[in-house]
Amino acid sequence: QLQLQESGPGLVKPSETLSLTCTVSGGSISSSSYYWGWIRQPPGKGLEWIGSIYYSGSTYYNPSLKSRVTISVDTSKNQFSLKLSSVTAADTAVYYCASVGSYCSGGSCKYYFDYWGQGTLVTVSS
Amino acid sequence: DIQMTQSPSSLSASVGDRVTITCRAGQSISSYLNWYQQKPGKAPKLLIYAASSLQSGVPSRFSGSGSGTDFTLTISSLQPEDLATYSCQQSYSTPYTFGQGTKLEIK
Repeated sequence: QLQLQESGPGLVKPSETLSLTCTVSGGSISSSSYYWGWIRQPPGKGLEWIGSIYYSGSTYYNPSLKSRVTISVDTSKNQFSLKLSSVTAADTAVYYCASVGSYCSGGSCKYYFDYWGQGTLVTVSS
Repeated sequence: DIQMTQSPSSLSASVGDRVTITCRAGQSISSYLNWYQQKPGKAPKLLIYAASSLQSGVPSRFSGSGSGTDFTLTISSLQPEDLATYSCQQSYSTPYTFGQGTKLEIK
């Protein structure tokens, strides 16, 4: 069973870059069975998908954040990372990493976030 | 973006009750719909994928149905440990979007 763990600073200053890493255990990040994603949740609010990355390096970003987001994979460390630049207070949230599983039938695949990290609170404040 | 709207936003029910939560998509998403349970201070947990498939290890009292724009999550007999917020999510197209959540309280 996959296990994911987020790590990174809990406090980031406005205009700086938020950097988080997700370490995957119990499976290989290079597996073609999965791809990987970041989701965030501002305090007291709903979930927001940030973006996803395939083991091959192909990325998909939320257009609302695309100009500021970079997601990358480090297969040697079995990790994937999130960088969000030019942060403001609106980026304060619990950030989750997750694996993206798939159910394929009839030539199409349906995706879902099946394993999640515990989440890490990132506060943007001077 | 595909908007996902859940109803109700909150509800209170008694142990043993049958509970139904509704999720409506802003456009047809076939059965590209997932349900998550989030207990206070915890990460979301996948309950149902592809609208009606029960994730491994999830109790059979949870079930999902629907297709197109209207979906439901049903808890057949509410248990005390089901206290949580439930969210739907579409995977029909990016950006993937979530409903605002339904907070379930136990009377």
